[in-house]
Amino acid sequence: DQQVKQNSPSLSVQEGRISILNCDYTNSMFDYFLWYKKYPAEGPTFLISISSIKDKNEDGRFTVFLNKSAKHLSLHIVPSQPGDSAVYFCAASPGVGGAGNQFYFGTGTSLTVIP
Amino acid sequence: DAMVIQNPRYQVTQFGKPVTLSCSQTLNHNVMYWYQQKSSQAPKLLFHYYDKDFNNEADTPDNFQSRRPNTSFCFLDIRSPGLGDAAMYLCATSRDQSGGADIQYFGAGTRLSVL
Repeated sequence: DQQVKQNSPSLSVQEGRISILNCDYTNSMFDYFLWYKKYPAEGPTFLISISSIKDKNEDGRFTVFLNKSAKHLSLHIVPSQPGDSAVYFCAASPGVGGAGNQFYFGTGTSLTVIP
Repeated sequence: DAMVIQNPRYQVTQFGKPVTLSCSQTLNHNVMYWYQQKSSQAPKLLFHYYDKDFNNEADTPDNFQSRRPNTSFCFLDIRSPGLGDAAMYLCATSRDQSGGADIQYFGAGTRLSVL
């Protein structure tokens, strides 16, 4: 049972425009969310996170929005750059901190930024 | 500098022949995880170690075992690989931070093929 869903397997965006990657979850106990970025032949690397007490977190060109009532979060990248081309994974956890909090991952969205 | 190192990057084994994948870390994190990721699927947690304490996920097959001889190293043993075990295996680490972000740092993965 997939508790974290990324329904768009791929997304193409022109350089300089906004990229919006979406993620939906089903478990209302999730209260901590992360986005990971993965380049080919590399492991996923942490990008940005948000806890349920916030509805927005911003880090440079990357902003994550959380809509708890809709069980939906999104990652905005603006402006998009060719180096942003990668697979983006959404992950959710029922707890903040603590050892071994299980993160549930989505299937990923492959972003291509076209120069 | 690589912080979570997985060896080998590619592993080919025969059906039923035991295989061991290794993971080492230079972060001195007390938690280490093993994930299985099949094509176009989300990474799935198999088990994790909190220091020397082993935590197995309920649906992880008995065919999968793990060892952590010290803080830096963790091994994934597949006792009798089947064709369905062909996948990317990801190792990750995190530092237990109560009340803080439990970011996981991933290795590049080992792609296992079963012939």
